[in-house]
Amino acid sequence: DAGITQSPRYKITETGRQVTLMCHQTWSHSYMFWYRQDLGHGLRLIYYSAAADITDKGEVPDGYVVSRSKTENFPLTLESATRSQTSVYFCASTWDRGSSPLHFGNGTRLTVT
Amino acid sequence: AQTVTQSQPEMSVQEAETVTLSCTYDTSESDYYLFWYKQPPSRQMILVIRQEAYKQQNATENRFSVNFQKAAKSFSLKISDSQLGDAAMYFCAYRTRIQGAQKLVFGQGTRLTINP
Repeated sequence: DAGITQSPRYKITETGRQVTLMCHQTWSHSYMFWYRQDLGHGLRLIYYSAAADITDKGEVPDGYVVSRSKTENFPLTLESATRSQTSVYFCASTWDRGSSPLHFGNGTRLTVT
Repeated sequence: AQTVTQSQPEMSVQEAETVTLSCTYDTSESDYYLFWYKQPPSRQMILVIRQEAYKQQNATENRFSVNFQKAAKSFSLKISDSQLGDAAMYFCAYRTRIQGAQKLVFGQGTRLTINP
């Protein structure tokens, strides 16, 4: 199906574990983004990518790693999960820099125990 | 850095009435884009309306309209004839147009409740 999909939808992990959140889009959008949503903070940008093999840090990148070897995939890895990384994570994509809206996945709720 | 502020954490309105959600932003740029997104309990992020800063005319989408005051850096959302399905979190967002600085900056959100 066309669109942007995230997996898993829910994840529980332990402190110190490595976790990878997946994001896949079928539109061949150039730009992809990872946001985290926390109460009182809205959505904050973790990393973004302008094209395959081009990534850059956002507002809150510490503790996260991204890669983009293919245009359609943009996985987010928590190298050593901490409780402060308990959050809802959204992946998004868009065509260009202008007024094109971001299209969001349905989010992954991650709980770090 | 650009910032977006939504000063109303919660709002409520009677069904069929009109409600306005506030949003202000801080920027030194003259060319940018503004958006309102809706997030219902399903967690899905849904685009409500968008505004290009170079356009003086306020954007409208059916029952949704904005009051864009560029000099005041204000971008409020008006919902007319409120419906139960409008209940959601609403996020205001700013997108810069400058190359190499592509990102959408969000406000903290306003939770809107519709009273039947």
